[in-house]
Amino acid sequence: DQQVKQNSPSLSVQEGRISILNCDYTNSMFDYFLWYKKYPAEGPTFLISISSIKDKNEDGRFTVFLNKSAKHLSLHIVPSQPGDSAVYFCAAIPGHFGNEKLTFGTGTRLTIIP
Amino acid sequence: GAGVSQSPRYKVAKRGQDVALRCDPISGHVSLFWYQQALGQGPEFLTYFQNEAQLDKSGLPSDRFFAERPEGSVSTLKIQRTQQEDSAVYLCASSLPGTGSNGEQYFGPGTRLTVT
Repeated sequence: DQQVKQNSPSLSVQEGRISILNCDYTNSMFDYFLWYKKYPAEGPTFLISISSIKDKNEDGRFTVFLNKSAKHLSLHIVPSQPGDSAVYFCAAIPGHFGNEKLTFGTGTRLTIIP
Repeated sequence: GAGVSQSPRYKVAKRGQDVALRCDPISGHVSLFWYQQALGQGPEFLTYFQNEAQLDKSGLPSDRFFAERPEGSVSTLKIQRTQQEDSAVYLCASSLPGTGSNGEQYFGPGTRLTVT
């Protein structure tokens, strides 16, 4: 039973354009959502997060939107750069105090075309 | 400062062998997590420590899997009598829980285990 779903295994975007990565979840207990970025042979690195009390969080080129009623979140990257090419994982936890296990989606491989 | 380190980075084991995977978390991080990532999948939770106490081991797939963190810092994940389905990348993460934390877990580079 996949509680966090990323239905697009891959996405290609032209450099300079907007990249939109989507994530859906089924567990209403999830209270905090995170995006991680992963390069080959490295561990995931934290990118941006959002609490369920917000609907938007922005950090430079990265913005995460949360639609709680639809149980959907998205990550926008604008403008996209070649270094953004990586696998992106959506993750969720029921709290946000650093002692909760992450539930991950299956990931979306983003390729930025120069 | 140093991040989370894991060793070995790669391990090939013959079916039936025992393996031990090591994790050195970020100094001072109270929480430590182990995840298993199969090919083409996202990481899946195995077990969680707060200091030396193993508070959640609900993700361990069988009793062949055992984890410890005896002094509340370094952790070892041991897999006994390895099977081919154990082939995966094993990720360790640490975090500093409590007020001011954003829930971020810092991951090591992982150990890729291949069972032949």
